[in-house]
Amino acid sequence: KAGVTQTPRYLIKTRGQQVTLSCSPISGHRSVSWYQQTPGQGLQFLFEYFSETQRNKGNFPGRFSGRQFSNSRSEMNVSTLELGDSALYLCASSLKAGNTGELFFGEGSRLTVL
Amino acid sequence: GDSVTQMEGPVTLSEEAFLTINCTYTATGYPSLFWYVQYPGEGLQLLLKATKADDKGSNKGFEATYRKETTSFHLEKGSVQVSDSAVYFCALDNNAGNMLTFGGGTRLMVKP
Repeated sequence: KAGVTQTPRYLIKTRGQQVTLSCSPISGHRSVSWYQQTPGQGLQFLFEYFSETQRNKGNFPGRFSGRQFSNSRSEMNVSTLELGDSALYLCASSLKAGNTGELFFGEGSRLTVL
Repeated sequence: GDSVTQMEGPVTLSEEAFLTINCTYTATGYPSLFWYVQYPGEGLQLLLKATKADDKGSNKGFEATYRKETTSFHLEKGSVQVSDSAVYFCALDNNAGNMLTFGGGTRLMVKP
């Protein structure tokens, strides 16, 4: 069974640009969550989608957005990139939304903003 | 708000040594508690979990007991191996869906 797949794995952008990251969950998983991992702030929750609906959103500015498609694949977008957006962005999938904490993580997309 | 505090690393041990990584939490209500592990170059993997007070989660020789009275969920292993070298994250889920609150992570280095 394939795991969570994130693309691209690495990317470099400059300040002011925007970026779109993609996540394909494990087959049959309908919940997709996104986390930002940085050395300074650690792992921080961005948002969670289930059945194409955003269920929860973390404390991030509106430049961070996401969506989920009918096949459960998800994308997140960061507009007007800032240096501080450099991070490892992790996607996680789960069978269902809510209260299990049993997330399956991808290897992440490492974003560097110059 | 909810928070998780872990001991800072790195923790360096010799093979077959006993491991303890401390984790304490602050949360209202009755959260579920988790340990995740991140091996070099990989995503996080769920190691073990406990969903109510006094529950003991265990997996691959690792154990952690949900102690509500001390708001702790310390990770232990009786005999570590070089292959256990990784970063370990304590986390909680306070009935907020799959929105986990993570600790800062503790890097474990096991030397042969």
